[in-house]
Amino acid sequence: DAGVIQSPRHEVTEMGQEVTLRCKPISGHDYLFWYRQTMMRGLELLIYFNNNVPIDDSGMPEDRFSAKMPNASFSTLKIQPSEPRDSAVYFCASSFGTSTVSPLHFGNGTRLTVT
Amino acid sequence: GQQVMQIPQYQHVQEGEDFTTYCNSSTTLSNIQWYKQRPGGHPVFLIQLVKSGEVKKQKRLTFQFGEAKKNSSLHITATQTTDVGTYFCAAASGGSYIPTFGRGTSLIVHP
Repeated sequence: DAGVIQSPRHEVTEMGQEVTLRCKPISGHDYLFWYRQTMMRGLELLIYFNNNVPIDDSGMPEDRFSAKMPNASFSTLKIQPSEPRDSAVYFCASSFGTSTVSPLHFGNGTRLTVT
Repeated sequence: GQQVMQIPQYQHVQEGEDFTTYCNSSTTLSNIQWYKQRPGGHPVFLIQLVKSGEVKKQKRLTFQFGEAKKNSSLHITATQTTDVGTYFCAAASGGSYIPTFGRGTSLIVHP
């Protein structure tokens, strides 16, 4: 298996621009997570999906952030408009399991820089 | 939500010395996971502990889950430069199946 695939690996954009991050989870996994990692706040859970349905988006910082999962093999995290404080590494992770806590498989991340 | 406190935040050791990181919670945990993130990399799952008092080993790494299921530790014997990275614990409690990550302990190994 290719693992969790994220794109792009790096994104540099100007304040006010729209940013879209993409994720392909491991085939067969029914949970998908979006995390943000910064030095100040560590690994923050933004949102997670189960069977393509958003379950908990309480970690999404503001209305500027939105996430979708149109099918089992694709998810996007969109920031519109972007701000410098959104600069971070964004990880997508997937897991399999509905009755126990399962290991998370992380993608390589997208390093976002907003200038 | 539930929080897990991880200490220390950083640890510098000389190659060959031992290293331990601790994860503590005020609530009883259903299980705990440990991850390693190399510099510039992504978190990689190491192990999961479920049972009270459980101890698991992976070569030079020893993982423990407390008797009360409120704390856990990761111990590395005779560190090597390849052990450099940040070690995270992630724990779930109550009816949640979603783990909450600690802030991590960054291990720096000096040759």
